[in-house]
Formats: sequence, C-alpha cells, structure tokens
Amino acid sequence: KQEVTQIPAALSVPEGENLVLNCSFTDSAIYNLQWFRQDPGKGLTSLLLIQSSQREQTSGRLNASLDKSSGRSTLYIAASQPGDSATYLCAVLNSGGYQKVTFGIGTKLQVIP
Amino acid sequence: KAGVTQTPRYLIKTRGQQVTLSCSPISGHRSVSWYQQTPGQGLQFLFEYFSETQRNKGNFPGRFSGRQFSNSRSEMNVSTLELGDSALYLCASSKFFSGSSYNEQFFGPGTRLTVL
Repeated sequence: KQEVTQIPAALSVPEGENLVLNCSFTDSAIYNLQWFRQDPGKGLTSLLLIQSSQREQTSGRLNASLDKSSGRSTLYIAASQPGDSATYLCAVLNSGGYQKVTFGIGTKLQVIP
Repeated sequence: KAGVTQTPRYLIKTRGQQVTLSCSPISGHRSVSWYQQTPGQGLQFLFEYFSETQRNKGNFPGRFSGRQFSNSRSEMNVSTLELGDSALYLCASSKFFSGSSYNEQFFGPGTRLTVL
C-alpha cells in the first residue's frame, strides 16, 4: 500500500526566503508525481507534474525534483511571497495493479511580510 | 477554457438522508475522479471514471457510488448519510485515465457537505 509523507507539516518563513518542501513515498512504482496548492476552503491548483521518467520540472519560481529510487520529491520555492501562503500537497499515481492517486497530508506554508 | 465545476458548492443534510453531487469536467477530459477531504484523513480517493466506466475504486463503503455520463459529466451519490460523511468532496478531471503518466489532474472548487 502506497504511503505518502510530507515534511514539515507546517512552515513559517519571512518574505523573500527560499524554501524546500519535502515529499516521500513508500512504493517507487509510480507513473507520476504532482504538486498542488490549496487555499483554505478551496479546491486544489495544479503546480507541477513530474512523470516517472523525468527528474525535475520548473515553473516560474517553482522547481520540483523527483528521485524515484529513493522515493523522494522536493518542491523548491524561490523568493517566497505572502501570496504563496497555502497548503502544499503532493500526490503520486501508482503504476501497480491497483491504479489510484495517493495524497500526502500537506505542508501548511505561511510567508510573513 | 472553463475549469472543473461542481454543484452544489454547499449542502446541509441530516443523518439517514441521501445526497447527489455533480461534477462537470474540463471540455475534452474523459477521466473524472472523486476525493473526500477531511481534516483528520486528508484527501482520500473515492473512485475514478473513464468513458462511463468505473476503472478504480478506493476503500469506501458501498454507500458511496458514482456514475459518468456520455458527455463525461459525473455524479456521486452517498446514501444513508452518517455524521462522519461531513467533508469537502472534490472532483478532478484529466484527459487520460489514471493509468497514464500524462495524467495531470485539475480540480474543481469542491462541495462542502455537512451532515447534522
């Protein structure tokens, strides 16, 4: 059974700081990994998707890496802004016999002006 | 391009009742997945439909069911509601079914269900 863990559970940083969010998964047989952000009471916004054959993806100030063999992914946010405050979730799509998406609990980020 | 829409956005029901939630995917997307989100459990996968067929199912009781129509719109039904069913129900659509590495999911705003 796939398990996804995100560390830390919460993070508070001053504006302008670079930061790293971590995601680990127990079963490396995945099709892809996707990072989302969620604002309070809202749906999820897709940030980046990394296919299993890729090592990283970049979008603006965001960079996500994937190391399938060690079961880890990181989301790097450069020059954080107050608008980045949200909960960040990672999700893995299994390629095993029971194909479904497993989410981590998320990291709640607060960027202080 | 319109995003994923869900109706209703908020719903209050009492125990024992049943409820139907609706999801309209992004135009051209044939896969629709449903998730339950609660503070204690996080996001839990309910089921996924692709071309009107349920392809994957999570670990939820049979009270939770769904269907997909020929236009890819999907409905989710919960019968005999329990207090523990109170949650944010999220729908996601993608072009491909969940067995594809290109399966980028796009989420709707969710339906907040409160069971009294």
